[in-house]
Amino acid sequence: DVKVTQSSRYLVKRTGEKVFLECVQDMDHENMFWYRQDPGLGLRLIYFSYDVKMKEKGDIPEGYSVSREKKERFSLILESASTNQTSMYLCASSQQGLPQHFGDGTRLSIL
Amino acid sequence: QQQVKQSPQSLIVQKGGISIINCAYENTAFDYFPWYQQFPGKGPALLIAIRPDVSEKKEGRFTISFNKSAKQFSLHIMDSQPGDSATYFCAASYTGTASKLTFGTGTRLQVTL
Repeated sequence: DVKVTQSSRYLVKRTGEKVFLECVQDMDHENMFWYRQDPGLGLRLIYFSYDVKMKEKGDIPEGYSVSREKKERFSLILESASTNQTSMYLCASSQQGLPQHFGDGTRLSIL
Repeated sequence: QQQVKQSPQSLIVQKGGISIINCAYENTAFDYFPWYQQFPGKGPALLIAIRPDVSEKKEGRFTISFNKSAKQFSLHIMDSQPGDSATYFCAASYTGTASKLTFGTGTRLQVTL
């Protein structure tokens, strides 16, 4: 069974900090995704990666960057955290096409 | 600009009843319409999906109905059970978008005893 693991369930950081969210998948999937989920807005794609060191901007990439040095790991980086980045962050993976397997999310609070 | 509109925002259905969630889209280039189910504290899971070349797809108690001319699609949950209580998201995508999905805003379903 595919497992997508996000390193933290809850995270509290301060404004201006550099924040790292980590995601690991165990099925050798090509594609990995980062979404944020906000009430009333559904899920919005931040970044997508289709191969190691390859990335593509999603709908809301501003204020974020990503890193994919190994196939199984996809990191989301908040360069200088701001309060409007308080949200639930979801990582997903798929062998091809659309996201199929999601992690359980990281609830990030920026104070 | 919201490209996929989902309704209702929340829904309460009695056990054994039919749950119906509706979505409407604007972009006629969309050609794949999945539904995701999300339980509290968990990430979404792909539930069922349809392409516009068919008008209906059924998997167990879950059915997607698709109306291409009206640019609408809906999820029907027959014989709804308390275990179906979750948030449901419709979504849409189109070929050539590098696997990007546009999600609806979600429907919180509660099935009561």
